[in-house]
Amino acid sequence: DGGITQSPKYLFRKEGQNVTLSCEQNLNHDAMYWYRQDPGQGLRLIYYSQIVNDFQKGDIAEGYSVSREKKESFPLTVTSAQKNPTAFYLCASRLGTGSVPIYNEQFFGPGTRLTVL
Amino acid sequence: AQTVTQSQPEMSVQEAETVTLSCTYDTSESDYYLFWYKQPPSRQMILVIRQEAYKQQNATENRFSVNFQKAAKSFSLKISDSQLGDAAMYFCATSGGAGSYQLTFGKGTKLSVIP
Repeated sequence: DGGITQSPKYLFRKEGQNVTLSCEQNLNHDAMYWYRQDPGQGLRLIYYSQIVNDFQKGDIAEGYSVSREKKESFPLTVTSAQKNPTAFYLCASRLGTGSVPIYNEQFFGPGTRLTVL
Repeated sequence: AQTVTQSQPEMSVQEAETVTLSCTYDTSESDYYLFWYKQPPSRQMILVIRQEAYKQQNATENRFSVNFQKAAKSFSLKISDSQLGDAAMYFCATSGGAGSYQLTFGKGTKLSVIP
């Protein structure tokens, strides 16, 4: 079955540590996104990538880093510079660039809950 | 920049009744899309319905329909014959532009369904 997988489902981090959240998709989608969700908030964009080896900062990129070495993978690293990393992280993908409706739908993974101890 | 506002943090509806969730947005894009996503307790984001801004006809998906008022920048979601499984957070979102097509989300409305 095609879809998006995120691992781990739950992640615990000690202060000062970097951690990496995995996101893999087998939908053959070009674009991938990382969102952060806090209680009482909508989703906020951290980073996105529209093509392999290229990515752009979203609205809240500080303290995060990403890579896009393969089309199907878009890992997110939460660095020690992120002051309040406890949140729910969602990865999404989109078919490709273009203005037809199907290209605008984003499909989401199941998410990773990160807790800083 | 795009903004999305959902003015109802929580709503409730009796099973089998109809409920409408409100959403207003602001965008400078001429070509954009609007979405309603559902997030049940599992936290999986599920696309409920999509509306292309250039279409005047309101989108419909089974029991879900929208009232799209482009001039007023309003995009409400109507759920008919509400079911217990409809209980969830509902997020309104807009996507636009020839760039990232990133989604801008509202803060959500928590819908409870009363048996």
